[in-house]
Amino acid sequence: GENVEQHPSTLSVQEGDSAVIKCTYSDSASNYFPWYKQELGKGPQLIIDIRSNVGEKKDQRIAVTLNKTAKHFSLHITETQPEDSAVYFCAASFMEYGNKLVFGAGTILRVKS
Amino acid sequence: DAMVIQNPRYQVTQFGKPVTLSCSQTLNHNVMYWYQQKSSQAPKLLFHYYDKDFNNEADTPDNFQSRRPNTSFCFLDIRSPGLGDAAMYLCATSIEAGPYEQYFGPGTRLTVT
Repeated sequence: GENVEQHPSTLSVQEGDSAVIKCTYSDSASNYFPWYKQELGKGPQLIIDIRSNVGEKKDQRIAVTLNKTAKHFSLHITETQPEDSAVYFCAASFMEYGNKLVFGAGTILRVKS
Repeated sequence: DAMVIQNPRYQVTQFGKPVTLSCSQTLNHNVMYWYQQKSSQAPKLLFHYYDKDFNNEADTPDNFQSRRPNTSFCFLDIRSPGLGDAAMYLCATSIEAGPYEQYFGPGTRLTVT
């Protein structure tokens, strides 16, 4: 069945440091990998996404890398700020299931100032 | 601004009393999704509409129903809420079915007493 594993479940970093969150997926045919940020009491907001024909994508302090062979992708946040504190979810599309998104379990990121 | 709107933001219902949550969108997207998110968990897809075509997830309980009277609106009906149905309910839209960005609303927090 479809499965996305996400690590770590919690991550504490000092302001200004980098944060890395990793996800693995089970379907080698998956071709779309978004990352969402969810603040308390709000809906998830897309922060960056990557497709399977690209190995890396960057948007200011946020980057995502994809290793299709190993079936894993990672979120990198540099120069973290207190406002980066939130829950981050990775997701992968599963072709076998109509390309629905399956989400990882989430990572609570705390940036300490 | 184009957006996804959910009403109400907070809903309290009694055990067994039917409840309806609503979602509207100004994005003119073809697809509307309903997710259930329990505390500290990932969003779980309940069902989605591609235009008027309803697609139910295999493990969605019969207690959950949905209606999409037009492109802009989609409703989630819980026929007989149980205590286990207390959760955040998220509506999302995407321009097409498949591996496309999903835009989430702010969610409705449902409490069952």
